[in-house]
Amino acid sequence: AQSVSQHNHHVILSEAASLELGCNYSYGGTVNLFWYVQYPGQHLQLLLKYFSGDPLVKGIKGFEAEFIKSKFSFNLRKPSVQWSDTAEYFCAFEMDSSYKLIFGSGTRLLVRP
Amino acid sequence: DGGITQSPKYLFRKEGQNVTLSCEQNLNHDAMYWYRQDPGQGLRLIYYSQIVNDFQKGDIAEGYSVSREKKESFPLTVTSAQKNPTAFYLCASSITSGGGEQFFGPGTRLTVL
Repeated sequence: AQSVSQHNHHVILSEAASLELGCNYSYGGTVNLFWYVQYPGQHLQLLLKYFSGDPLVKGIKGFEAEFIKSKFSFNLRKPSVQWSDTAEYFCAFEMDSSYKLIFGSGTRLLVRP
Repeated sequence: DGGITQSPKYLFRKEGQNVTLSCEQNLNHDAMYWYRQDPGQGLRLIYYSQIVNDFQKGDIAEGYSVSREKKESFPLTVTSAQKNPTAFYLCASSITSGGGEQFFGPGTRLTVL
């Protein structure tokens, strides 16, 4: 079955540290890829997305992600995290531009000031 | 102010009772979705609707029912047949049913006692 694997369930970093959250999906066809973020007490919102073109995509708040098709990966990165980045991050993919988003289990990031 | 509203924010019900969760959007989106979020499991799709008066089952539809009588409304009923109904329920919408970003509501936390 199609699935998304997020390797880290909990990550704790100090401010200014670099961040990389792993995401791998299992599907051999065409995919659209997403990272969503859920800040404490807020709605789930889109951080960035990849549909086609340049595999390195930039999102809001200095986040970026790289699609590596050969590795079925879409890792999220940020060079220097801030306390305000404390949130839960979800990777998701959509198969063949269908209706269906398949989500990973999420990674809780805590950034210590 | 466009968006998705879900009510109520917290809901308590006794075991064996049906309960209906509200979802309204004023984004003029065609497609609407219901997800269930459980700790450590990410989001799982319950039902989705691409157009008024039409809807399809997602991955975990058993014990749930929906209706789509109006474009802006997509209520979810959690029936007594749902074996483990206590969860956080998220409603989402998108412009088209595939290939696009989904926008999420604030969620309803249902607790069945």
